[in-house]
Amino acid sequence: GENVEQHPSTLSVQEGDSAVIKCTYSDSASNYFPWYKQELGKGPQLIIDIRSNVGEKKDQRIAVTLNKTAKHFSLHITETQPEDSAVYFCAASSGNTPLVFGKGTRLSVIA
Amino acid sequence: NAGVTQTPKFRILKIGQSMTLQCTQDMNHNYMYWYRQDPGMGLKLIYYSVGAGITDKGEVPNGYNVSRSTTEDFPLRLELAAPSQTSVYFCASTRSGSLYNEQFFGPGTRLTVL
Repeated sequence: GENVEQHPSTLSVQEGDSAVIKCTYSDSASNYFPWYKQELGKGPQLIIDIRSNVGEKKDQRIAVTLNKTAKHFSLHITETQPEDSAVYFCAASSGNTPLVFGKGTRLSVIA
Repeated sequence: NAGVTQTPKFRILKIGQSMTLQCTQDMNHNYMYWYRQDPGMGLKLIYYSVGAGITDKGEVPNGYNVSRSTTEDFPLRLELAAPSQTSVYFCASTRSGSLYNEQFFGPGTRLTVL
């Protein structure tokens, strides 16, 4: 089955700097890669996703890149703000099977 | 719309007790999921359902049971609770048609088994 590895497990950045979180996956059949943000005491919420027919997708300060050959994808957050502090999860799916999540990255943005 | 609601928010169980975690969604989603979240371990799928009357095991189903008699409700049953079931439990739902669709999560139930 699918296995998703996520790094780093914790990340601290200064406000205004960029943050990058990386994930690798094992199943070459996977073709859907969402990212979820979990704020303290809440359930995860989708922030961006990408499908295997594109290499990059942007939404304001966040972007996701996908390298299908290397089986890795990354989340990029630019101009970080204190409200970006949260736990971020990557996930992967072939569309025929449920999502498999990474273990999460705790991002702290220091003002 | 309330979205996905879960009850209770917190619960402490003694070893061997049983309980049902409730999950309801008002978005007319066909797909529903139960996850557990252990510290530093991400989200592990326990069971999921693609429609009323249909359920499937996820990655960690042992010690749990589910039923799906209506589109709205997807209760998770713990029989003979064990300390290893101490976790935060999340219910989620997706609109029908594809597993690609966004999952909407409830606020979670924090369960402690002593």
